[in-house]
Parts: sequence; structure tokens; C-alpha cells
Amino acid sequence: EAQVTQNPRYLITVTGKKLTVTCSQNMNHEYMSWYRQDPGLGLRQIYYSMNVEVTDKGDVPEGYKVSRKEKRNFPLILESPSPNQTSLYFCASSWGQRNTEAFFGQGTRLTVV
Amino acid sequence: GQSLEQPSEVTAVEGAIVQINCTYQTSGFYGLSWYQQHDGGAPTFLSYNGLDGLEETGRFSSFLSRSDSYGYLLLQELQMKDSASYFCAVSSYTGGFKTIFGAGTRLFVKA
Repeated sequence: EAQVTQNPRYLITVTGKKLTVTCSQNMNHEYMSWYRQDPGLGLRQIYYSMNVEVTDKGDVPEGYKVSRKEKRNFPLILESPSPNQTSLYFCASSWGQRNTEAFFGQGTRLTVV
Repeated sequence: GQSLEQPSEVTAVEGAIVQINCTYQTSGFYGLSWYQQHDGGAPTFLSYNGLDGLEETGRFSSFLSRSDSYGYLLLQELQMKDSASYFCAVSSYTGGFKTIFGAGTRLFVKA
């Protein structure tokens, strides 16, 4: 089954404790990206990657890191989480490099206390 | 800057037709996509327009006018299960292909 898998689905952590949210896709997609979703703001792109070893900032990259060492994986790293990073996070992938039809993972609900 | 505007809420009755508009301001515009999201779920892709005109996919159609920086999603024969949030999203090229989402339109379908 074609899918984008994120883990964990739910995470509660404390301020400053480094965490990683994993994302994996099995569709051989070139483009992968991370979004955060907050009430009334829609989805905001954090980082994106158009191919292996190619990553770039989206609209809200501060406080986040990513890497793309393999085509299928695109982890999101929060080196020192803060309460304002409490949000619902989605990973997505799409064929080609234009991200015109994205497939989303099921989301990760992150709470930073 | 880059921005998208869409109505925050729309209400319609079952069986009716509803149109959700989206206007955008962006540089390097490439295309406009539409996504549906049910409460507690992930966004799912509905439609994409790269060129002016109408794209039809079953009960859903999407329209784009690049000269007017405007698009819409048309939902026909509304069903209760269409109650969800709908997002327009612009793909633009500014050295890389970024994606900007609108804040979403909450659609309520009444019996």
C-alpha cells in the first residue's frame, strides 16, 4: 500500500529535550516536506526537499532541522523544543519536484511543556 | 509577500452545489492544488490546476485563472460526508518549489 508513515503519532516532551519525528514514504517520491498546522493558520511549510541531499527552508524553519540522506526518509529534528512548537505536524511526499499532488502522513501531535 | 485568501466557512444543504474561492498573491506561481481534511485526519489531495480552465474529477471540479490570480473548487451533489475543511495551496518557484496553503474553508453540509 502506498503510504507516508510518521512516528510517533503523539508526543509530549519537555522544553529543551531534543526529539526526532520520523517520516518514511514507499512511493519513490522525489519531493518531501514538513508542515505544521495550527488553528486558523492552515498548514505552513517548515522545510522541503526536492531530492536526496537537497533541502531548503519553507516559511517557518526556525527551531527545526531536517536531513535527506535517503530518498524514502525525511526526519524532522527539534534540537531544543519550546512550547511555541506545540502543534500538529504533517509529513508529505509527491512525485517529481513541484509538489503539486502531495500525499500526507497521518500527523504527529506534539506537545512541549 | 505571498498570501492566499479563502472564506473561513461555507454552509450548504445536501444535494446542492457549493463553490469555494481562493485568491492568491505570489511570485513564481506554478500551480494551484486543493486538499480536503476531515476532523482528526490528514489532508488528502483533490485536484490540481497548472493551466487556466476547469479540471473535473467526479463530483469535484477546480478552476484556475492565472491572469486574475484566482481559483475555485466546485463541489456538486453535496453529501454529508463532504463536511470537512478545504484548503487551496499554491506551488511557486523561487529557487525551489515552495508550497503555501490557505487557512482553509470549513464546509458544513446540512440535511
